[in-house]
Amino acid sequence: DVKVTQSSRYLVKRTGEKVFLECVQDMDHENMFWYRQDPGLGLRLIYFSYDVKMKEKGDIPEGYSVSREKKERFSLILESASTNQTSMYLCATLSSSSGNTIYFGEGSWLTVV
Amino acid sequence: DAKTTQPNSMESNEEEPVHLPCNHSTISGTDYIHWYRQLPSQGPEYVIHGLTSNVNNRMASLAIAEDRKSSTLILHRATLRDAAVYYCILRKTSYDKVIFGPGTSLSVIP
Repeated sequence: DVKVTQSSRYLVKRTGEKVFLECVQDMDHENMFWYRQDPGLGLRLIYFSYDVKMKEKGDIPEGYSVSREKKERFSLILESASTNQTSMYLCATLSSSSGNTIYFGEGSWLTVV
Repeated sequence: DAKTTQPNSMESNEEEPVHLPCNHSTISGTDYIHWYRQLPSQGPEYVIHGLTSNVNNRMASLAIAEDRKSSTLILHRATLRDAAVYYCILRKTSYDKVIFGPGTSLSVIP
């Protein structure tokens, strides 16, 4: 089974702090994604990556950046956290070998105070 | 990106079958139909996918219309653990952006 591990399940950060959310997958998948999920707004795509050092903006990239230095790791960075970035963040990876099945991590609940 | 349309919510009685519909009238010939579900406080999980033929697995069945403009996820006997949001999405290649709609929130009544 594919495993997608998000480093922190629950975080509380202060406004203005730099925040790193880490995601690691164990299946050598090329494609990785970061979403945020808010009540009533569903899953919204922040950034995605096709391969190491490659990144593409999703629908809501403002206020975020990403890093993909190694294939298994995709980091989401909040350069200066704000209260409107309080949300659940989900990392996902995609297997092209099984009909493009998507595998999600358990989510990271971030509260910015 | 081809879009999907699902009802916002549905209810089912426990131990009865549930049919969750999805419309995808702009589907192209190479789009796979995928279903995922999200239990409370968890990330979405894969349920099933198909291209043209009906599919079965241990979790559910997927019935695909002959013209492929709609599909139905079938849970044969709903349990309380099946209460979740169910998402129907289309996937063409591994390089597509993966966009989820609001899904269908399924409630299961004991």
